[in-house]
Amino acid sequence: NAGVTQTPKFQVLKTGQSMTLQCAQDMNHNSMYWYRQDPGMGLRLIYYSASEGTTDKGEVPNGYNVSRLNKREFSLRLESAAPSQTSVYFCASSERRDTQYFGPGTRLTVL
Amino acid sequence: GENVEQHPSTLSVQEGDSAVIKCTYSDSASNYFPWYKQELGKRPQLIIDIRSNVGEKKDQRIAVTLNKTAKHFSLHITETQPEDSAVYFCAASRPGGTSYGKLTFGQGTILTVHP
Repeated sequence: NAGVTQTPKFQVLKTGQSMTLQCAQDMNHNSMYWYRQDPGMGLRLIYYSASEGTTDKGEVPNGYNVSRLNKREFSLRLESAAPSQTSVYFCASSERRDTQYFGPGTRLTVL
Repeated sequence: GENVEQHPSTLSVQEGDSAVIKCTYSDSASNYFPWYKQELGKRPQLIIDIRSNVGEKKDQRIAVTLNKTAKHFSLHITETQPEDSAVYFCAASRPGGTSYGKLTFGQGTILTVHP
């Protein structure tokens, strides 16, 4: 099993460009999450999906949208990237309220 | 919503010493408290967790204690080794409803173990 996978690993965008971060899990988990990690601020929840077909805002949803494409895949979209969105993005999945398993992360730089 | 405070932000110890990291949480309904370890450039990985129906849990050199009354929990690492050097995050979540499965993380502690 690959666990949680994310693409791309690195990305550089110019202000105003759009992009989609992809996440997939092969553990048959119901719940999936998107976090951003900034120095000194820990991991902050952007959006989550408790189950296929549902999505909800987390702590810092502004500037992002998500799609739970199916049980395996949960994508994060930046419609108009801003320098404040420079961060490392982690996707995670879990079964119910159990352990969350993280993907390898995407390092995004917005110039 | 939940707020988790973690201290200290950095911790430096000598190999073989013990290390203690403390977290406080604000939401008395929180009942699940995991600890994650993140090595440089890697993903966070769960090292131990505790639920509110127990006060302490141990796994080899790692232990977590929970004080529900005071709303704080701590990570204890004994006989530290250089490979314990990493960033450690605590987190908390409450059961069900609109907070289903949502973790609120502390700010992290950079642990450095000197040989």
